[in-house]
This record gives sequence, structure tokens and C-alpha cells, in this order.
Amino acid sequence: AQSVTQLDSQVPVFEEAPVELRCNYSSSVSVYLFWYVQYPNQGLQLLLKYLSGSTLVKGINGFEAEFNKSQTSFHLRKPSVHISDTAEYFCAVSGWGGYQKVTFGIGTKLQVIP
Amino acid sequence: NAGVTQTPKFQVLKTGQSMTLQCAQDMNHNSMYWYRQDPGMGLRLIYYSASEGTTDKGEVPNGYNVSRLNKREFSLRLESAAPSQTSVYFCASGTELDTEQFFGPGTRLTVL
Repeated sequence: AQSVTQLDSQVPVFEEAPVELRCNYSSSVSVYLFWYVQYPNQGLQLLLKYLSGSTLVKGINGFEAEFNKSQTSFHLRKPSVHISDTAEYFCAVSGWGGYQKVTFGIGTKLQVIP
Repeated sequence: NAGVTQTPKFQVLKTGQSMTLQCAQDMNHNSMYWYRQDPGMGLRLIYYSASEGTTDKGEVPNGYNVSRLNKREFSLRLESAAPSQTSVYFCASGTELDTEQFFGPGTRLTVL
């Protein structure tokens, strides 16, 4: 079984400040990790993904995440946020190899304050 | 490419009514999924289809049925709607290679 914990349900941050959204996972097998973003009244879209290789993954809109196997974490960061980053962010995990179900966290709402 | 499309966008039902949510994808993906999204609960998998001709239960299948009509289409049916099924429903499709998923815009369903 696998699970995802997003430690913060809401994160307020001032515009142009840095932000970190935290994600921890548990799994008995090797994993793929994802961050998705959901803008108001829209579906989810992929922000970035970790499959293998470099533990620092860069995504769209200036976001990046670092895979830390020893701490089972995959935190999302952005050095300077913009108003347009206001959205809900979901961390997700799946196992390797063939078809695997994806488990989503409950989401973190990022509110960028002007 | 339209990606993943869902119909309808909004629906209001009375308790006991039935309806079918439609989903189609044009990315030639084998896997398709139905999720529901409720405040504070994230996305919960209702049913999925790993390939054409197969369907399996997810985390919250009770009260729902699905049909994988062909490779493109995956429908979700509520036979007798209940207020507890008020939610936003998302369809997604994906690749088996790395399980990345592509989501539709969602259907907002209210059951009175």
C-alpha cells in the first residue's frame, strides 16, 4: 500500500516571496512522484514528475521539487511566487512497473497575497 | 487535440434519479479513471480501466457503475443518486509507462 501526506492544508505567502509545499509519502516499492496544480474551476494539470535520475526536478512555471529517498519526501518549491500561482497543489505517488494506481494527497491551497 | 473531455459540465439531480457522466480522450491512452473530489478529501478513485475491455473498483465504488465503451470512451453511471454523491467528478487518462495522468475539466454534480 502507498500513501501521501501533505502537511499543510493552506499556505499563505506574499507575492515575490519564496514558498515550499511539503509532501511525504510511504510505499513498500520504488516510486514515481508527481505534483499537480489545480486552478479554480479547472481540472488538474501536471506540474512536474520524478521518475528516476537527478533528484532535483524542474517543472513548469518556475517550480521545482527535490526527491529525498531517506526522508521519503518530495517537497515543492518556488523562489518567487506570483499572484497567478494561487491554486491548489496535489502531491501524488505511484509504484514502478506496468500499470500502477496513483494515490493523491489531499491538496495544499496556496494563496498568494499581493 | 482536445485531450480529455467530459459532459455535462454541471448537473442537478433529485435523490433517486439516474444519470451517466461521459468521458472521452483522444490521446490513444490505454488507461482511464474516474475520481471524485470533495473538500478536505483530495481525489478519491471511483473506478479505473487499465485497458479496453477491463474495469476495476477503486477506493469508493459503491453507488457507481462504469463502462469502457471503446479505447476512447469511459462512462460513469449513477443508478440511484444520493445526496452523498454531490461532488465534482473528474475523468482522467494516462500512460502505463510512468502513470502520468491527464484530467478533464470536471463535472459538478449536485444531488438534492
